[in-house]
Amino acid sequence: QKEVEQDPGPLSVPEGAIVSLNCTYSNSAFQYFMWYRQYSRKGPELLMYTYSSGNKEDGRFTAQVDKSSKYISLFIRDSQPSDSATYLCAMSTNAGKSTFGDGTTLTVKP
Amino acid sequence: DTAVSQTPKYLVTQMGNDKSIKCEQNLGHDTMYWYKQDSKKFLKIMFSYNNKELIINETVPNRFSPKSPDKAHLNLHINSLELGDSAVYFCASSQTGTGDEKLFFGSGTQLSVL
Repeated sequence: QKEVEQDPGPLSVPEGAIVSLNCTYSNSAFQYFMWYRQYSRKGPELLMYTYSSGNKEDGRFTAQVDKSSKYISLFIRDSQPSDSATYLCAMSTNAGKSTFGDGTTLTVKP
Repeated sequence: DTAVSQTPKYLVTQMGNDKSIKCEQNLGHDTMYWYKQDSKKFLKIMFSYNNKELIINETVPNRFSPKSPDKAHLNLHINSLELGDSAVYFCASSQTGTGDEKLFFGSGTQLSVL
């Protein structure tokens, strides 16, 4: 069993929709939770970063971490065609090695 | 200015050849990484260096040898290339000591072994 499982997708939504991307994990030592966005033929870029449980909001993006359920989510409000990308969840312990989910490819149709 | 730059962007070569990928970061970070991304987008760490010292060495064939001449540079040399080595290789960097692991990635090297 993988340490990090990510909803596989692909996901296709109309412009303006609310998107929910999710990951579960098994390692209770994970303390840092990240979401990376990767456009086609580009490297992943850090989108959201959360330490421990709670919510974090940045513009149209909200990251949620529920450590009791070992579950993290990324919500995108008012989705735009420019949000079309692969989204990767990642987690790490204090030891500093990030473990990635398999990625969810999102397409937002105009 | 590109923060993490790696060359070449594309690498097409024959089985059995030896090739190198170079990476440089100008963010002042002290830790650099090599990640491999397969065709299904799964990103897996291969190596990490902190101030030129090898910290993480995942289960990677001996044909892969990283080298860090200084903390701003990390190269990857691959001997006797095999078909299964075809993938996108990403260099990344981060600043340790901050208690987090925010990674900054290069744009990747698409390696195709024929």
